[in-house]
Amino acid sequence: QKEVEQNSGPLSVPEGAIASLNCTYSDRGSQSFFWYRQYSGKSPELIMFIYSNGDKEDGRFTAQLNKASQYVSLLIRDSQPSDSATYLCAVNEGTGGFKTIFGAGTRLFVKA
Amino acid sequence: DARVTQTPRHKVTEMGQEVTMRCQPILGHNTVFWYRQTMMQGLELLAYFRNRAPLDDSGMPKDRFSAEMPDATLATLKIQPSEPRDSAVYFCASGLTGGRVTEAFFGQGTRLTVV
Repeated sequence: QKEVEQNSGPLSVPEGAIASLNCTYSDRGSQSFFWYRQYSGKSPELIMFIYSNGDKEDGRFTAQLNKASQYVSLLIRDSQPSDSATYLCAVNEGTGGFKTIFGAGTRLFVKA
Repeated sequence: DARVTQTPRHKVTEMGQEVTMRCQPILGHNTVFWYRQTMMQGLELLAYFRNRAPLDDSGMPKDRFSAEMPDATLATLKIQPSEPRDSAVYFCASGLTGGRVTEAFFGQGTRLTVV
């Protein structure tokens, strides 16, 4: 059973702080990794993807990937109350298929 | 504005009735996913199609659920007969596969309540 694990939270950070969200996955052959944001009552929206080891930055967001440790993280710098949402980690299987499996999500609260 | 369109947005039905959910993927996308989201289970992959061919429906209860893609602009998810435990939000997502990364773009979902 291929799994994607996230701490369900809630993670609470003050406005302006760095929020750190973590994810581990079980399929060592996984190829690409995604972070989605989901506001309450809305559909998931893609924030970032990463497929190479290391860091990838996009504005206030940085995704980090360590394939040896099977670990993906998302850092949100200068957190804003509007960042309060559930963050879903997703992993695309690496066996030639296109299946994307999601973690259960981490709820983030940014306090003003 | 390219987006995935799902209908209906909300559906309330009685146990035992047939439910059909529809999805129009983004034009040009070749892969369609069906997910179910509940508080307890999170986002579960039910089935997905690539170039209209079903690739994997192992996440779907076979006895009551069926998924089809009659043409490139329409994917359907059918439940017959429906049960209260099927109450959830059903999301369709589409993407373009074949390159290094498959990004999935989600529709707004169908909120199903079976009473």
